[in-house]
Amino acid sequence: EAGVAQSPRYKIIEKRQSVAFWCNPISGHATLYWYQQILGQGPKLLIQFQNNGVVDDSQLPKDRFSAERLKGVDSTLKIQPAKLEDSAVYLCASSFSDGTYEQYFGPGTRLTVT
Amino acid sequence: DAKTTQPTSMDCAEGRAANLPCNHSTISGNEYVYWYRQIHSQGPQYIIHGLKNNETNEMASLIITEDRKSSTLILPHATLRDTAVYYCIVRVAGSQGNLIFGKGTKLSVKP
Repeated sequence: EAGVAQSPRYKIIEKRQSVAFWCNPISGHATLYWYQQILGQGPKLLIQFQNNGVVDDSQLPKDRFSAERLKGVDSTLKIQPAKLEDSAVYLCASSFSDGTYEQYFGPGTRLTVT
Repeated sequence: DAKTTQPTSMDCAEGRAANLPCNHSTISGNEYVYWYRQIHSQGPQYIIHGLKNNETNEMASLIITEDRKSSTLILPHATLRDTAVYYCIVRVAGSQGNLIFGKGTKLSVKP
């Protein structure tokens, strides 16, 4: 089966610019996650969707980050305006449902903010 | 904060068993132990999970101590492709699925 798709794979922007990332989860997976991974650290959950509703966005910096999952399938994560500390890999993951089901991760988007 | 403690790094000879320890002394009765790994420049990959019994699948074995305060992930015949960061995570069963990653163990498999 096809895995989690993400684009772009790499992005370089200047601070104060905006950027958007796209994720297409595995077909049939109701739950979608966005993680941020700073170099040398483990991934940190930013937001979790169940179908097209937000389950947890407690660690999403809402003053600059936004995410949506229209129609309960694809999702986009946006940063506006970007800061230097936003440089990281942004990972999308999906799972069949919530709870104990394993999560499948995409390859990530590496963002560099200069 | 992560609720597990893992060594920062480990080495293993190719073809030998890799035994990766994890301490989770504050684990609750309804928390599972999960293992994921992350190969360089890739997203994390699920390996295995368990509650109290030992588990085995095509990738690895998970040994959980009787008091559940620690566990060991065993890769029976490590290959160079097993070089990765391995994350041990505890997670409440039936939760909304949040994984809290620590820094993991960097396993280097050497020829």
